[in-house]
Amino acid sequence: GDSVTQMEGPVTLSEEAFLTINCTYTATGYPSLFWYVQYPGEGLQLLLKATKADDKGSNKGFEATYRKETTSFHLEKGSVQVSDSAVYFCALRGGNAGGTSYGKLTFGQGTILTVHP
Amino acid sequence: DSGVTQTPKHLITATGQRVTLRCSPRSGDLSVYWYQQSLDQGLQFLIQYYNGEERAKGNILERFSAQQFPDLHSELNLSSLELGDSALYFCASSVGGRREEQFFGPGTRLTVL
Repeated sequence: GDSVTQMEGPVTLSEEAFLTINCTYTATGYPSLFWYVQYPGEGLQLLLKATKADDKGSNKGFEATYRKETTSFHLEKGSVQVSDSAVYFCALRGGNAGGTSYGKLTFGQGTILTVHP
Repeated sequence: DSGVTQTPKHLITATGQRVTLRCSPRSGDLSVYWYQQSLDQGLQFLIQYYNGEERAKGNILERFSAQQFPDLHSELNLSSLELGDSALYFCASSVGGRREEQFFGPGTRLTVL
């Protein structure tokens, strides 16, 4: 079945540091890939997405490129801020036309990011 | 604010009891998804409904059931509760049943004592 593996956390950085959170996946067909962010006490918010190979998703300074050859979707940001402190989830939505996967999302374990001033 | 509402926000109950979690999707969204977030299992898909009908099922226990009503709100029923059912339960909604963005509610935190 589909699976997502995310780098273990937590990750602690100083403000303005470079961020990378690794994400690799296993899926059949052509999945769509997502990064969600969860701030304390809140639900998940979609951060960015990519629906086909070589697509780059970007939002709020975050970027991730859909790499089919390495089955990866690593999240990067050039300069993090204290307000970026949150839990980040990599997720995929299966690309099979049939079956029972439909719209369900499969999530990685989540990475806690803490940014210090 | 995603537009998805969940009630209650917190729920504390005892083992063996039954609870009902409620979700109201965004206006116009036909699909509702339920997810469970726990420390040991992470975020897992439970079940999806589309316009009142069950569309997909994930790792949902037989003690759990759900339904989507004609007004499109959904309820997740958890019975014979065990300590291990303590988790954050999220509802998400989307316009359609497959490729559209899912919008998540704030979650219901269930504590089973």
